[in-house]
Amino acid sequence: EIVMTQSPLSLSVPPGQPASISCKSSQSLVHSDGNAYLYWYMQRPGQSPHLLIYEVSRRFSGVPDRFSGSGSGTDFTLKISRVEAEDVGTYYCMQGINMPLTFGGGTKVEI
Amino acid sequence: EVEMLESGGGLEQPGGSLRVSCAASGFTFSRHAISWVRQAPGKGLEWVSEISGSGDSTYYADSVRGRFTISRDNSKNTLYLLMSSLRSEDTAIYYCVKDGLPTRFDAWGPGTVVTVSS
Repeated sequence: EIVMTQSPLSLSVPPGQPASISCKSSQSLVHSDGNAYLYWYMQRPGQSPHLLIYEVSRRFSGVPDRFSGSGSGTDFTLKISRVEAEDVGTYYCMQGINMPLTFGGGTKVEI
Repeated sequence: EVEMLESGGGLEQPGGSLRVSCAASGFTFSRHAISWVRQAPGKGLEWVSEISGSGDSTYYADSVRGRFTISRDNSKNTLYLLMSSLRSEDTAIYYCVKDGLPTRFDAWGPGTVVTVSS
């Protein structure tokens, strides 16, 4: 099973400031097809999670461009260029290269 | 608009069984794998099971293999999860989640709450 480790567990960011979340996998997430199957999800308090980023850096439909994903191999990062009030919630990374699919423990973002 | 709507959650005793369902709409149901993801109270996300679009392939987390069975009825655009030999640690919100290509888990339902307690 691939273990996903996120850091920090939580962070408090003033509005308009950047935020960065790290996600490390215990094995490479690069498939033989050349793609890396790393995803980012966000869950606002009391709501269901929703997809932000797929395949490391591709923003899902409707996701603001202040969100960006980067990384390769086993190290990945989600960045928010300027945090807004609506960004409060918990962020999860997930690997999709091997079964069982596994999530990171989550990073709580507060303002 | 894609919609996933879970139902069937409730209170069940340890050792008991429960079936939760997910009604999907807004996309060609049979073309997409669907997963169940759960979230225990105050905890993170845990993938539980996935079924291919045709229903021919199924996958399970070790924590539920042998106790849970995922299935689907493509004629009804409905997904099921039969949970048996329930344990207290199965208490969670159960989300039905659609897979896309190349996206993963691109649509989530509001979830259904399953509580296992005597």
